[in-house]
Amino acid sequence: TQLLEQSPQFLSIQEGENLTVYCNSSSVFSSLQWYRQEPGEGPVLLVTVVTGGEVKKLKRLTFQFGDARKDSSLHITAAQTGDTGLYLCGASNTGKLIFGQGTTLQVKP
Amino acid sequence: DTEVTQTPKHLVMGMTNKKSLKCEQHMGHRAMYWYKQKAKKPPELMFVYSYEKLSINESVPSRFSPECPNSSLLNLHLHALQPEDSALYLCASSQVWGPGDGYTFGSGTRLTVV
Repeated sequence: TQLLEQSPQFLSIQEGENLTVYCNSSSVFSSLQWYRQEPGEGPVLLVTVVTGGEVKKLKRLTFQFGDARKDSSLHITAAQTGDTGLYLCGASNTGKLIFGQGTTLQVKP
Repeated sequence: DTEVTQTPKHLVMGMTNKKSLKCEQHMGHRAMYWYKQKAKKPPELMFVYSYEKLSINESVPSRFSPECPNSSLLNLHLHALQPEDSALYLCASSQVWGPGDGYTFGSGTRLTVV
């Protein structure tokens, strides 16, 4: 069974601070995805990383895929209140997308 | 059209009722999924359909019965549910088997079993 360990599970910060969320596994994945989910809505895909060592940027969000394709990180620079939500890493190897435990981010004004 | 549409958005049903959840997408995706999400937990995979055929059943109780009538529609038939089945039920779709394919999720059906 492939497991995704996501940390931290809860993060409460002030607007303007930086943060990093981690997603780790003992398994190698062909790709890894990050999603953001708001209450009462479905997860929304932020990014897919495929190549080991890959770095992708989405405005203030930076995503990195580990060289061995077993881990990933999401870094948010100068967090805003609109970044509040549940962040999920997900990985799929055989047509099954499984998720880490999720990180609930609260950005306070 | 880049959306997955789920109906109804909310559903309250008794333990002896039969109801159905519906999901529709017109993105040409040939893989569709049902997930169950409890509060403050990540979504858990229930079923995977690939080219309208059931390919994965994650040991889901038979009171949940999926159906894929065509490439755009996915249903989840519910019968004799238990209160612990109350959750957000999410439908998703994707291209099939691509390593970089992202999933598009619907907004979910909030199910309450009384």
